[in-house]
Amino acid sequence: AQSVTQPDIHITVSEGASLELRCNYSYGATPYLFWYVQSPGQGLQLLLKYFSGDTLVQGIKGFEAEFKRSQSSFNLRKPSVHWSDAAEYFCAVGRDDKIIFGKGTRLHILP
Amino acid sequence: DGGITQSPKYLFRKEGQNVTLSCEQNLNHDAMYWYRQDPGQGLRLIYYSQIVNDFQKGDIAEGYSVSREKKESFPLTVTSAQKNPTAFYLCASSIGRGEAFFGQGTRLTVV
Repeated sequence: AQSVTQPDIHITVSEGASLELRCNYSYGATPYLFWYVQSPGQGLQLLLKYFSGDTLVQGIKGFEAEFKRSQSSFNLRKPSVHWSDAAEYFCAVGRDDKIIFGKGTRLHILP
Repeated sequence: DGGITQSPKYLFRKEGQNVTLSCEQNLNHDAMYWYRQDPGQGLRLIYYSQIVNDFQKGDIAEGYSVSREKKESFPLTVTSAQKNPTAFYLCASSIGRGEAFFGQGTRLTVV
């Protein structure tokens, strides 16, 4: 069964506009949640993580994400995107003894 | 510097050959993972290991094999039984189901 769903395959926003990337998960217990970013041909870099506590978490590069248990969501946000944010973004869940990834959202930035 | 090293960066395989991808980590992490990445498919889990001399199949283990003889090393063999091996392969390590640290990947191409 799919554990992590990223409903948007591609998203295009203008530079300076706000951004929200969606992520929904299915897991009975409290999950560990992550957002990663990948530039072409590279490995993945961790943007932020949620284990417990405050449901609004801050990450690197000005990103934040909010855990909403009632909606099983962990959406990634940034108030103002920069051209350098163009990349692929992956949501992931740490469940049982492994880490499962969504299919990713490719972010395009218009000048 | 602590991290994960994957080698080689590029690998070419002839039809019917087995090839082995190397993954070494010096982070002292117990858990290690192999993922396969294809365009639009996200990261799919091939094999993972939580401790030395033990590993489990992921979602797409057919045609692949692994070993975990040392904590630092988790090599992946792509066998001739894998009919469509051309892909980008990523190795990662973690402490349990916490955040995963990734190598820079190996791009495997069948020629």
